[in-house]
Amino acid sequence: AQKVTQAQTEISVVEKEDVTLDCVYETRDTTYYLFWYKQPPSGELVFLIRRNSFDEQNEISGRYSWNFQKSTSSFNFTITASQVVDSAVYFCALKRSNYQLIWGAGTKLIIKP
Amino acid sequence: DTAVSQTPKYLVTQMGNDKSIKCEQNLGHDTMYWYKQDSKKFLKIMFSYNNKELIINETVPNRFSPKSPDKAHLNLHINSLELGDSAVYFCASSQGPSGGNTEAFFGQGTRLTVV
Repeated sequence: AQKVTQAQTEISVVEKEDVTLDCVYETRDTTYYLFWYKQPPSGELVFLIRRNSFDEQNEISGRYSWNFQKSTSSFNFTITASQVVDSAVYFCALKRSNYQLIWGAGTKLIIKP
Repeated sequence: DTAVSQTPKYLVTQMGNDKSIKCEQNLGHDTMYWYKQDSKKFLKIMFSYNNKELIINETVPNRFSPKSPDKAHLNLHINSLELGDSAVYFCASSQGPSGGNTEAFFGQGTRLTVV
């Protein structure tokens, strides 16, 4: 089966806490790509990161970091020192070698002031 | 300059009507998509076009018909609207055949409400 699981439907934390959004994927492809998108309350979908299956380097961008582990088929997203503006629905997605894009169900992140 | 723009942003219409949503991208991308997002935020691909050719056509009622006059435009026409069509529709584009390994850029969405 090819799928993306975001087991956390909703997470609520207080501002300045660190929070990790989990993403677990299943694929038999050896070449694939993983993505994270953010959907703030205003509704647009904003691209955050792309990672290909051959690049297991973790990535940090300001308060955002991503941990890609092929051994556990996970591509988790951590926000450090969360802010109210981080409140959004976050989607993880898998693009297969045939370019089919499979989306997770999304995690709603609520940052309370 | 908006990279992927779709109009209208909001659309309220009665059951049985026919409506269109327009989408344009100025990124020079080869591939364009239509997605439907339901009330639970689940994203489902409907159609994908590469250089004006249909390459993905998921199980979507044939009341939905995409039209791509050129590779910068992908419009969505919906006939005989039903209550269940109420959703947010997103247009997106990406580079490369079938979108390649690149990320998709999304329009702001069109919230369709059928009453």
